[in-house]
Order: sequence, then C-alpha cells, then structure tokens
Amino acid sequence: DAGITQSPRHKVTETGTPVTLRCHQTENHRYMYWYRQDPGHGLRLIHYSYGVKDTDKGEVSDGYSVSRSKTEDFLLTLESATSSQTSVYFCAISESVNRAQVSLTDTQYFGPGTRLTVL
Amino acid sequence: AQKITQTQPGMFVQEKEAVTLDCTYDTSDPSYGLFWYKQPSSGEMIFLIYQGSYDQQNATEGRYSLNFQKARKSANLVISASQLGDSAMYFCAMREGDDYKLSFGAGTTVTVRA
Repeated sequence: DAGITQSPRHKVTETGTPVTLRCHQTENHRYMYWYRQDPGHGLRLIHYSYGVKDTDKGEVSDGYSVSRSKTEDFLLTLESATSSQTSVYFCAISESVNRAQVSLTDTQYFGPGTRLTVL
Repeated sequence: AQKITQTQPGMFVQEKEAVTLDCTYDTSDPSYGLFWYKQPSSGEMIFLIYQGSYDQQNATEGRYSLNFQKARKSANLVISASQLGDSAMYFCAMREGDDYKLSFGAGTTVTVRA
C-alpha cells in the first residue's frame, strides 16, 4: 500500500471558520492531488501539485487554496468553510504524469479520506 | 459531456461466479489511461488495474481482468471467482494525456451473495 495519510480523518466545523486538511506521503512522489467525493458527482479534482511550491487549480477550486512546502506534505485550506463544502476529501499521489503515453506509473493512489461536515 | 459512463448502478453476484462491470469512455486524446478502483464500505479508494491506450493486450491482475475494446471505447472490468470481500463500489476512471485529473464514472455497487 502507498504510504499516504490524511489528517484529520473526521472533522465537524461551523460555517465561516477556516479549515486545513493535511496529506502526508512517504513515497517521495512528485505529484499530489486533492479530490472531493459527493453523491451524484463522483470524485472531482480540487487542486494538484507538480512539485514543491508548484500547484494549480482543478475543476472545483473555488473556495479552496493549497500549499506544498515539502515533497511529502500537501495542505488543503478552506478559508471560510461553507455548507456546500461538506464532503469527503481524498488526497492522491502519483509517481509521474506522462503526456505522450499515459503509463502505469501515472496511477493515482489515494489516501484514506477525510470526512468534513460544515454546519 | 460525460467522459466515463458506468450504466450499472448495482449488481448482485453469487460467490465464486464471475461478474463483468461495464465502462465506456469518451476522449479524442490518443494517449489515455483507464483505471479501476474499488471503494468498500469503509471508504478508502483502492487501485485495482490499469490499461493504457497503446497497450495491445488486455490487462490482468490476479482475479481482475480488463476487457479493453478500443474501437468501442469500452473498458469492462471482469472479476472472476467472486468473494464476499469483493462487495464494494467500483469506479472506472480515465486520465487523458493532456490533463492531470482522473475523470470518474458514477460507480457500480457489487454485492456478492453467499
């Protein structure tokens, strides 16, 4: 199993409060991702990182920011949580992102998930 | 438009039998990868099997095999000799060469009966 941990695993917070979720990996993979999983929408990419301090937006990035100061850690911050951000958040990592020929090393391995409830 | 379509919301299978989970995809990128994941009731996402768009042979991984029909744009997962522990939600996903994200289907719930 890929060494990926997420913290906290569960969190209940109130609307308007800031929340930070942490993803930690021991695989030394360059690429890291944050997804959210919602019923009826499957998993959707929030943000991703292609190296230390290199991040970019995914398809549902509004209301979220990320930071990556070390290879092993990728933080997701909700600056001011809203009820629409109640979801299960998954971190993922991949060894590579090949464009010309997607390969097995592009496989994204997921962390255990964080269940966030915003009241 | 949906990139990944899984038309079977739920399936029942008898223990020790095989089950096929359907997945069709839509892309114009010649480079893509197809991935299947298992999500048991405990919630984690477990990678099962991968098929690359340039692969000539169908992927196999233990009791999992992928029936890849490129012209039909389908990548069906076959689970042989089903076990009770196979009861879970199964997701088909695709990564196109020109993108970072995985696009997921809606998933298929498999229930294995003893």
